[in-house]
Amino acid sequence: QPGLTQPPSVSKGLRQTATLTCTGNSNNVGNQGAAWLQQHQGHPPKLLSDRNNNRPSGISERLSASRSGNAASLTITGLQPEDEADYYCSAWDTSLSAWVFGGGTKLTVL
Amino acid sequence: QVQLVESGGTVVQPGGSLGLSCAVSGFTFRDYAMHWVRQAPGKGLEWVSFISYHGRHKLYADSVKGRFTISRDNSKNTLSLQMNSLRLEDMGVYYCAKEGNAFDIWGQGTMVTVSS
Repeated sequence: QPGLTQPPSVSKGLRQTATLTCTGNSNNVGNQGAAWLQQHQGHPPKLLSDRNNNRPSGISERLSASRSGNAASLTITGLQPEDEADYYCSAWDTSLSAWVFGGGTKLTVL
Repeated sequence: QVQLVESGGTVVQPGGSLGLSCAVSGFTFRDYAMHWVRQAPGKGLEWVSFISYHGRHKLYADSVKGRFTISRDNSKNTLSLQMNSLRLEDMGVYYCAKEGNAFDIWGQGTMVTVSS
């Protein structure tokens, strides 16, 4: 049972906008924020957005992260074929004294 | 450039032991905390362990507590994970990751197979 809840899959068309969600609680996402990672098949994860919703250098401006209460979201505009990947959220959980991941969302670009 | 290279993954029997290493280059290793994260075949990411920049503060997932030990050698820019009493459910790719307000840099991973 993952610590954070993500929908298993999201499908959107080319050049459309996808919003991926990540739901936690007041012990993790709610007061610590969430980071977002992308993983293409057969490759290691890559950080897309840190816990303060900042994009690392080199990450496309088409991606933006936000948080509202205990839920975090990652919005990807102008979907491209290379955006098709698994996306994970992660947060520090103060009650568990552990980092937790969501189960991941498989984004399909149609 | 920044590089994390894991090694040590192999096939091990249930109940066995294995040590993993992560060689770091391209940044000042001693200034950053580090993690181990694993991924079972076809599954999602699971955080395993954390070590502070100086090595004095260590955290473990409940699933590995008491069996795994994280350590670091800042003089050799190396992160390690000693895994004992391995179980079938410990099988997967093990990644080391740098902690920079998130898991900001990852290695390519090393595969641990637990099989009799």
